[in-house]
Amino acid sequence: DADVTQTPRNRITKTGKRIMLECSQTKGHDRMYWYRQDPGLGLRLIYYSFDVKDINKGEISDGYSVSRQAQAKFSLSLESAIPNQTALYFCATSLPGTNVLTFGAGSRLTVL
Amino acid sequence: RKEVEQDPGPFNVPEGATVAFNCTYSNSASQSFFWYRQDCRKEPKLLMSVYSSGNEDGRFTAQLNRASQYISLLIRDSKLSDSATYLCVVNGASGSARQLTFGSGTQLTVLP
Repeated sequence: DADVTQTPRNRITKTGKRIMLECSQTKGHDRMYWYRQDPGLGLRLIYYSFDVKDINKGEISDGYSVSRQAQAKFSLSLESAIPNQTALYFCATSLPGTNVLTFGAGSRLTVL
Repeated sequence: RKEVEQDPGPFNVPEGATVAFNCTYSNSASQSFFWYRQDCRKEPKLLMSVYSSGNEDGRFTAQLNRASQYISLLIRDSKLSDSATYLCVVNGASGSARQLTFGSGTQLTVLP
């Protein structure tokens, strides 16, 4: 089994729908992140969490929200999806004191 | 100017060739530098960290030039399996993973 698991792997939805992307990890890392990747752009940080009670906005948090349900689980929600949120979304984890990220396999979201 | 800039390529090289990528960064206070590898439609995976003194891992050599604010990746004796996109990653002055900035990647194709 993968260390960082994302579900769903692929999702097509319509404008205005609520979408949740889920991430779970077995690495025991405290720190979790959500990134999005668009063609021709680097990965951009949406939200991050350094422990269960800690939630922080990243570079591009508008239109997104997150929930850290447990050390191992970090979910990303799009309350009302719009087409420019079509992207590849990655969850990642890291240990405190290190900048090395372990990524999930990604969730490809298409908003029509 | 982008915080982290990479030549997008594509670089098409024959098997056995030596190929080098450069990446420039704008924040002179950056502390940590990395190269990640991303296969098509897959998640990024750490290839190697980049240390001030330069470092080597098999056929891969990474170097840091703080004065000119760039890092480089050299791949010797290219293999077909080296075909991927190589992401340059730089962190901010805080040294925290939440300040990692990703380049948009350099695409490499190794041809038989």
